[in-house]
Amino acid sequence: DIQMTQSPSSLSASVGDRVTITCRASQDISSYLAWFQQKPGKAPKSLIYGASSLQSGVPSRFSGSGSGTYFTLTISGLQPEDFATYYCQQYNTYPVTFGPGTKVDIK
Amino acid sequence: QVQLVQSGAEVKKPGASVKISCKASGYTFSSYYMHWVRQAPGQGLEWMGLINPSGEITTYAQKFQGRVTMTRDASTSTAYLELDSLTSEDTAVYYCASHLYSSCDFWGQGTLVTVSS
Repeated sequence: DIQMTQSPSSLSASVGDRVTITCRASQDISSYLAWFQQKPGKAPKSLIYGASSLQSGVPSRFSGSGSGTYFTLTISGLQPEDFATYYCQQYNTYPVTFGPGTKVDIK
Repeated sequence: QVQLVQSGAEVKKPGASVKISCKASGYTFSSYYMHWVRQAPGQGLEWMGLINPSGEITTYAQKFQGRVTMTRDASTSTAYLELDSLTSEDTAVYYCASHLYSSCDFWGQGTLVTVSS
């Protein structure tokens, strides 16, 4: 199975900050990488697919980059509604696997 | 708009089975894959498997092989997840997620399954 790791596991940030989360795959997954946002008690929400394509309706302050084994999710100008846990997911190979998550909370 | 509405919470005893439904609307149900993902309390997301658009092909995570069954009914635009031989470790929120563009693009609201004697 492809192992996904994320760093940091948690971070504290202020409204307006630029935040970057990294995700690494244990082997080459090309651009088959998605990012999800999850708030407490809610279902995950897809933000980005194909490593850098924004899902419809997702604010442009979210961006994704990378390919192969190294990926990043950047939030440019953190908003109050962005405090949540973020997961990466590879869908290049079955089984689909998720990273352990990065919790973004208020400083 | 795409909507996935899941069945309600379940409480089961160890050894029992559970069957969860996921009713889709807002898109052509029979054209897209459906994933199932679960999340144990306080834990991350765990992929369980998926079913192809026709319902003829399923791919399950090895961990669940032999006790999971995913099906779908095109006439009602509903997907189903059945999990057998439940233990306390199966206590989790179970999500369906439709694969329209990439992987898990749209998610159901989740179904809490509690396994307790």
